[in-house]
Amino acid sequence: EIVLTQSPATLSLSPGERATLSCRASQSVSSYLAWYQQKPGQAPRLLIYDASNRATGIPARFSGSGSGTDFTLTISSLEPEDFAVYYCQQRSSWPPLWTFGQGTKVEIK
Amino acid sequence: EVQLVESGGGLVQPGGSLRLSCAASGFTFSSYEMNWVRQAPGKGLEWVSYISSSGSTIYYADSVKGRFTISRDNAKNSLYLQMNSLRAEDTAVYYCARGQFERPGYFDYWGQGTLVTVSS
Repeated sequence: EIVLTQSPATLSLSPGERATLSCRASQSVSSYLAWYQQKPGQAPRLLIYDASNRATGIPARFSGSGSGTDFTLTISSLEPEDFAVYYCQQRSSWPPLWTFGQGTKVEIK
Repeated sequence: EVQLVESGGGLVQPGGSLRLSCAASGFTFSSYEMNWVRQAPGKGLEWVSYISSSGSTIYYADSVKGRFTISRDNAKNSLYLQMNSLRAEDTAVYYCARGQFERPGYFDYWGQGTLVTVSS
């Protein structure tokens, strides 16, 4: 089973700053990785799929990169609405499992 | 507009049963793979179960295998999760989530969730 490890657990930044979030897979997932944003009391929202493709309606300040085992979500300039928890996610073909990282909380400094 | 609306959550005793429903609208439900994902209070996301568009292929997380049953009724645009032998550790918000059409391993729409509390 592939394990996704996110770092850091918490990122304290100010609006306008750049956020860099990491997700490491225990074995290669090629480019089959997604990122989600979740705000308190809300469902998660798909931001990035296939490591670097923005989902419909996602602002350009969100970008994803990486392949194999190391992935990065970058928020180029934090807006007030970007303070939230971010999860990475992958699906393995066999055994058929969908797994999430433990999350990174981006909080206001 | 795509909408997924879960219902059926509530308080249940350990060992009890509950059936969750997810009503879909705004898209051709029968063309999409669907999933249940849960989130324990204050914790991260955990995938629970998957069902193909026709219902012919089903997968479960090991944590619920043998206790939960996923199903769908494409004529009613509805997804279900029958939960039996519930345990305290099943306490969570349960989300139904749609598999992205071209890349169904990703979840592009989510419901608002329904809370299941297992406690005596």
